[in-house]
Amino acid sequence: EAGVAQSPRYKIIEKRQSVAFWCNPISGHATLYWYQQILGQGPKLLIQFQNNGVVDDSQLPKDRFSAERLKGVDSTLKIQPAKLEDSAVYLCASSFPTRDIGAKNIQYFGAGTRLSVL
Amino acid sequence: EDQVTQSPEALRLQEGESSSLNCSYTVSGLRGLFWYRQDPGKGPEFLFTLYSAGEEKEKERLKATLTKKESFLHITAPKPEDSATYLCAVQDPANEKLTFGTGTRLTIIP
Repeated sequence: EAGVAQSPRYKIIEKRQSVAFWCNPISGHATLYWYQQILGQGPKLLIQFQNNGVVDDSQLPKDRFSAERLKGVDSTLKIQPAKLEDSAVYLCASSFPTRDIGAKNIQYFGAGTRLSVL
Repeated sequence: EDQVTQSPEALRLQEGESSSLNCSYTVSGLRGLFWYRQDPGKGPEFLFTLYSAGEEKEKERLKATLTKKESFLHITAPKPEDSATYLCAVQDPANEKLTFGTGTRLTIIP
């Protein structure tokens, strides 16, 4: 089974430039997540999609970050304009959602995109 | 707001020297507690999910346990390939959101 695919793996930009990241989840996974992981910290959720609808974007800095998931499969995360503090690894994860409290609801992660803002 | 605290931040062990990593949490409701392993330059890799106090899960040299306030990841007779950052996360029952701790960076010295 193919895992979560992300691209690019690395990106270096200057502050105030724009950047976009792409994610292809595991086939059949309806729920998709974008996380930001700053060096030395755990991942922090930015946005969660269920199919092509947003479930939670409370931690997304909406003045500069945007995300979309057209057709409920692939997703893109965009930053415009980038700031120095946006330097981090951006992780995409997907899961097969279930309301069964006893069922596993495991999030599978991609390798991430490492962004450096200079 | 859910909070997860992991300790220690870093741990160096000799090969074969057993130890435990701690994850304490404060949540309004717990759907599950997750342990992930993260290698440098890679995304987190799922290890275990625990749902109720008293539950235990094992995988090779790793065993995870859960109480009402904390979880432990016990590592028995570790090998150098067990070196990684171990992340703990709690899942919100309302929307499946994971809140992660900052991780424990484990180094096993041959």
